[in-house]
Amino acid sequence: ETGVTQSPTHLIKTRGQQVTLRCSSQSGHNTVSWYQQALGQGPQFIFQYYREEENGRGNFPPRFSGLQFPNYSSELNVNALELDDSALYLCASSRGLAGDEQYFGPGTRLTVT
Amino acid sequence: KNEVEQSPQNLTAQEGEFITINCSYSVGISALHWLQQHPGGGIVSLFMLSSGKKKHGRLIATINIQEKHSSLHITASHPRDSAVYICAVRSVPGNQFYFGTGTSLTVIP
Repeated sequence: ETGVTQSPTHLIKTRGQQVTLRCSSQSGHNTVSWYQQALGQGPQFIFQYYREEENGRGNFPPRFSGLQFPNYSSELNVNALELDDSALYLCASSRGLAGDEQYFGPGTRLTVT
Repeated sequence: KNEVEQSPQNLTAQEGEFITINCSYSVGISALHWLQQHPGGGIVSLFMLSSGKKKHGRLIATINIQEKHSSLHITASHPRDSAVYICAVRSVPGNQFYFGTGTSLTVIP
């Protein structure tokens, strides 16, 4: 158990819809990162939030957006869902920025039909 | 070309064997992570390295910053070590995370 929780665990959406995924960080962690992992692939970095500000972004379009709240929990929002968005979405929290170990949540499996 | 390359992609070993998984990267980094992923998706962080060597039980991780290379060693492998092992780096500048595609390890009793 890493102390990082994600909800929901599974989700099925239709192409064109919008989805919000949630992540609760481990206590004392002020940084959260989001990753997308397609089946059979390694994770890909979506973005990172540090103290409620975006602090790095991977090669994902603007329809992928996020929020971090004062309690350091976080949301990932995806608009205009596409079939290729079907993947496992992982969040990871850490105590700070560079050089800090990340603790991963169990992931949310999103299926877009 | 991927920023992080791992080898081998797949590895089958007999219980008790010494295992090495390699990771090479092409960007400047602030840290390198070794991760373990079991079927079902859960990821556990095994090591975070910025230099030298770390050891946890039967696992050893080394990094050579000049050669941009890291290795994960498992001594006296056990079937419960069967998992996908992923190398990831945090780049500087840019604060990006890049992941390898993983090494799928199966340890046979």
